[in-house]
Amino acid sequence: GQNIDQPTEMTATEGAIVQINCTYQTSGFNGLFWYQQHAGEAPTFLSYNVLDGLEEKGRFSSFLSRSKGYSYLLLKELQMKDSASYLCAVMDSNYQLIWGAGTKLIIKP
Amino acid sequence: IAGITQAPTSQILAAGRRMTLRCTQDMRHNAMYWYRQDLGLGLRLIHYSNTAGTTGKGEVPDGYSVSRANTDDFPLTLASAVPSQTSVYFCASSEGAGGPYNEQFFGPGTRLTVL
Repeated sequence: GQNIDQPTEMTATEGAIVQINCTYQTSGFNGLFWYQQHAGEAPTFLSYNVLDGLEEKGRFSSFLSRSKGYSYLLLKELQMKDSASYLCAVMDSNYQLIWGAGTKLIIKP
Repeated sequence: IAGITQAPTSQILAAGRRMTLRCTQDMRHNAMYWYRQDLGLGLRLIHYSNTAGTTGKGEVPDGYSVSRANTDDFPLTLASAVPSQTSVYFCASSEGAGGPYNEQFFGPGTRLTVL
């Protein structure tokens, strides 16, 4: 079966750095996405990785290792507005997204 | 403002009733999707459409039907609602159906309660 695993909840302090991990087992791989979802709102796109390595976009970076079936999202200089759920999704061989349950990130002052 | 709209925002429905959730996008995207989101679970794909005139079944299609008569609209119908269909429903669209062009844009969601 197909499976995406990520921690259910994480807590971090404003101004700090946090790393959210995602491991996956899917039938085929056509890229990995990270989305942000604030409570009661729709998911919004953060990043896309299809090749191994680090993609940096401002305060957010995403890393991929295809051989390990592993990705992480790195958030730097945390702000209170970063409190949200972060969803990891893998595009499988049918070009459909398989979603993890999401990691709820709580930022404390 | 370009984007995706969904209607209604929320709905309480008696079991056994028929219900259509509406979704419209104005980005001229080829692909559209319907997901349900339940607490503790990832988004699950119900149905999708890679282009106008075609539809396909996702992970959890039973009890739901869709149509794609044109590029902009992708309604989701529950023929006879059951309590297990209580969920938040998201419509999404993407320019294409693969690769980096498959960034999906989501509507605001419909919160459906079936009693």
